[in-house]
Amino acid sequence: DQQVKQNSPSLSVQEGRISILNCDYTNSMFDYFLWYKKYPAEGPTFLISISSIKDKNEDGRFTVFLNKSAKHLSLHIVPSQPGDSAVYFCAAILSTGNQFYFGTGTSLTVIP
Amino acid sequence: EAEVAQSPRYKITEKSQAVAFWCDPISGHATLYWYRQILGQGPELLVQFQDESVVDDSQLPKDRFSAERLKGVDSTLKIQPAELGDSAMYLCASSLFSGVTQYFGPGTRLLVL
Repeated sequence: DQQVKQNSPSLSVQEGRISILNCDYTNSMFDYFLWYKKYPAEGPTFLISISSIKDKNEDGRFTVFLNKSAKHLSLHIVPSQPGDSAVYFCAAILSTGNQFYFGTGTSLTVIP
Repeated sequence: EAEVAQSPRYKITEKSQAVAFWCDPISGHATLYWYRQILGQGPELLVQFQDESVVDDSQLPKDRFSAERLKGVDSTLKIQPAELGDSAMYLCASSLFSGVTQYFGPGTRLLVL
């Protein structure tokens, strides 16, 4: 039972444009969400997070939006750069526990 | 910047052999996690330690997998015997305490022939 879903396995964007990566979840008890970036043959790198008490968190070119009523979060990258090409995983943590639930990942390709 | 260390980075073995992976978390991080990631999927938690104690190993195939963190610092994950289906990336992560941001090591890519 996949509680965190990334329905787009891949995304291609032109350099300089906005990249929008989406993530949906099913459990309303998730209260903390994170995005990780992963290059091939490397471990995931923490990118940005958001608490369920917020609806937006921004860090440089990266902004995460949370829509609790829709159980949806998105990661916006503006402007996109070729070095952003990687697999992006969203993850969620339950308020009642400590386990991370990861999505299946979206492979982003930024075309120069 | 402090990092999670893992070794080896790559391991090729034949089925039925034993393999072991090592992880050294970021200094001061009490919580350590082992994940398995199959290509095209998200990381799947195998085991979580709080200091030297296992707090979650519900997804660990205990007939062939074992993990230990004897002194509450570094950790070893062992597979014996390895099977073809164990080919995957094995990731170690650590966090200051449970439920907060995890920091991942570079992973060990295992290929079982």
